[in-house]
Amino acid sequence: DQQVKQNSPSLSVQEGRISILNCDYTNSMFDYFLWYKKYPAEGPTFLISISSIKDKNEDGRFTVFLNKSAKHLSLHIVPSQPGDSAVYFCAASDGNTDKLIFGTGTRLQVFP
Amino acid sequence: GAGVSQTPSNKVTEKGKYVELRCDPISGHTALYWYRQSLGQGPEFLIYFQGTGAADDSGLPNDRFFAVRPEGSVSTLKIQRTERGDSAVYLCASSPGQGADNEQFFGPGTRLTVL
Repeated sequence: DQQVKQNSPSLSVQEGRISILNCDYTNSMFDYFLWYKKYPAEGPTFLISISSIKDKNEDGRFTVFLNKSAKHLSLHIVPSQPGDSAVYFCAASDGNTDKLIFGTGTRLQVFP
Repeated sequence: GAGVSQTPSNKVTEKGKYVELRCDPISGHTALYWYRQSLGQGPEFLIYFQGTGAADDSGLPNDRFFAVRPEGSVSTLKIQRTERGDSAVYLCASSPGQGADNEQFFGPGTRLTVL
């Protein structure tokens, strides 16, 4: 049972345009959501997070939106840069434990 | 400063053998996590330590898997009687404290291949 789902395995975007990565979850107990970025042969690195008491969090070019009623979150990257090309993982936590539940990832390619 | 390190980076073993995977967390980080990432999947939680004790081992798939952190720093993940299905990248992460809002810093992983 996949509690965190990323239905798009890949996304290709032109440099300078907006990248939108989507994530859906099924567990209504999740109260904290994170996005991680992963380059080949490296561990995931934290990008941005959002608490369930908010619906938006912004950090530079990265913004995460949370729609609790739809159990959906999205990561917006604008403007996209070639260095953003990586696999992006959505993750969630339920507050009772520190473990993270990850989605299957979306591979983003930003081309010139 | 130094990040999370994991050794070995690659491990090839035969079915039925015993393996140990090591994780050196960031100095001073009290929480340590083990995840497993199979091909085409996201990281899957295995076990989490707060200090020396396992706070949550609900992700360990069966009793062939065991992890220790005897001095609250370095951790070893031990897999007995390895099976081909154990092949994956094993990721370790550490964080400065409890709570999901404490960033988990990941190491590069150990790629385990069971032949």
